[in-house]
Amino acid sequence: AQSVTQLGSHVSVSEGALVLLRCNYSSSVPPYLFWYVQYPNQGLQLLLKYTTGATLVKGINGFEAEFKKSETSFHLTKPSAHMSDAAEYFCAVRGMNSGYSTLTFGKGTMLLVSP
Amino acid sequence: DAGVIQSPRHEVTEMGQEVTLRCKLISGHNSLFWYRQTMMRGLELLIYFNNNVPIDDSGMPEDRFSAKMPNASFSTLKIQPSEPRDSAVYFCASSFTPPTATLNTEAFFGQGTRLTVV
Repeated sequence: AQSVTQLGSHVSVSEGALVLLRCNYSSSVPPYLFWYVQYPNQGLQLLLKYTTGATLVKGINGFEAEFKKSETSFHLTKPSAHMSDAAEYFCAVRGMNSGYSTLTFGKGTMLLVSP
Repeated sequence: DAGVIQSPRHEVTEMGQEVTLRCKLISGHNSLFWYRQTMMRGLELLIYFNNNVPIDDSGMPEDRFSAKMPNASFSTLKIQPSEPRDSAVYFCASSFTPPTATLNTEAFFGQGTRLTVV
């Protein structure tokens, strides 16, 4: 079975500061990893995904994430936060469980951006 | 494509009433997930279908909850009877899972149904 741990339910940054949202996973098979963003009263929207190949993945809105197998991590970063980045972010892992695929989400991290 | 479509967007009902939530998958997708989101528990997987067949329903809270896929593009989640603790936002998501069962396809989410049981 796979699981996802997001460190910090809330992260606060100033506009223009670096954004770092942490995600660690466990998976019995090579994982496929995703970051989603949820704006208020909206569904989840895909930011980026890691499947195979390059471990540094670039997504929409200037976000990127690096897959580090040795650390079982897939942290999300953005060099300079904008006010519009304020939202909840979810890390997810897709893997196999008892012969079928599942999509497991972390509990989410709320990103707060102050002027 | 209009994306995953959920209806209604908001539902307020009295305890004990039956509630039916609806979801239309993206055309060509064959996997369907129902999730429930609350402040306390976050995003919980309720049930997962692949090619219209329920694969994992271990997240369904109890027998009051049932989900069906009457055809390849449509699903319903029914709660009967509803209780105040069922109040949450319910999301469905669809994806395409190829026969080779590769797992690199993402899920696309609907806008959710906000259910309030009073």
